[in-house]
Amino acid sequence: GAVVSQHPSRVICKSGTSVKIECRSLDFQATTMFWYRQFPKKSLMLMATSNEGSKATYEQGVEKDKFLINHASLTLSTLTVTSAHPEDSSFYICSAGGTAGGDTQYFGPGTRLTVL
Amino acid sequence: SQKIEQNSEALNIQEGKTATLTCNYTNYSPAYLQWYRQDPGRGPVFLLLIRENEKEKRKERLKVTFDTTLKQSLFHITASQPADSATYLCALDRNAGNMLTFGGGTRLMVKP
Repeated sequence: GAVVSQHPSRVICKSGTSVKIECRSLDFQATTMFWYRQFPKKSLMLMATSNEGSKATYEQGVEKDKFLINHASLTLSTLTVTSAHPEDSSFYICSAGGTAGGDTQYFGPGTRLTVL
Repeated sequence: SQKIEQNSEALNIQEGKTATLTCNYTNYSPAYLQWYRQDPGRGPVFLLLIRENEKEKRKERLKVTFDTTLKQSLFHITASQPADSATYLCALDRNAGNMLTFGGGTRLMVKP
């Protein structure tokens, strides 16, 4: 149980375009989803927390207009990187917390974004 | 400010030995601490959670200790195998809405 999927797993886009990444909890309802960014050989950096039906809470230094987050249902959250630039190239990972109030987060497999 | 440090970037050990990874934190009083495994190009996989009132927790060949006085957690893998080679991340709760802060990770290499 507790499977989280991400789509796409890998995306290459041109500078200036927007890219949407989907995060789905497949077998449980996630009241909260988290979006992380990870650079090579570095740890995960939390970008934002999204709660179903409400606005996302962004970490300091993360531009909310650039990284649009939507959590429209208990099983789906999306991250849209708008007007992507090469410096946005990174590994983006989502995680989901269950409605049972447990403390464990279940992570998706990640999305590798490359902006040319 | 809160700070989490994992003892080393990389740890090489021989198969069959016990691997011990360290996670230290400062300016922090987490309610719980978690350990995750991450393979290259993959998302982290949850291994163990230990709460502030627990001293030790075990799961198969894994053991985690949590010393809130020393502000330290130790993660042990006994009878290590090459398949245990991965990056191991510790993560602490931020006392707010299940948010986690991750350490930098330790890359474990178990040699046959």
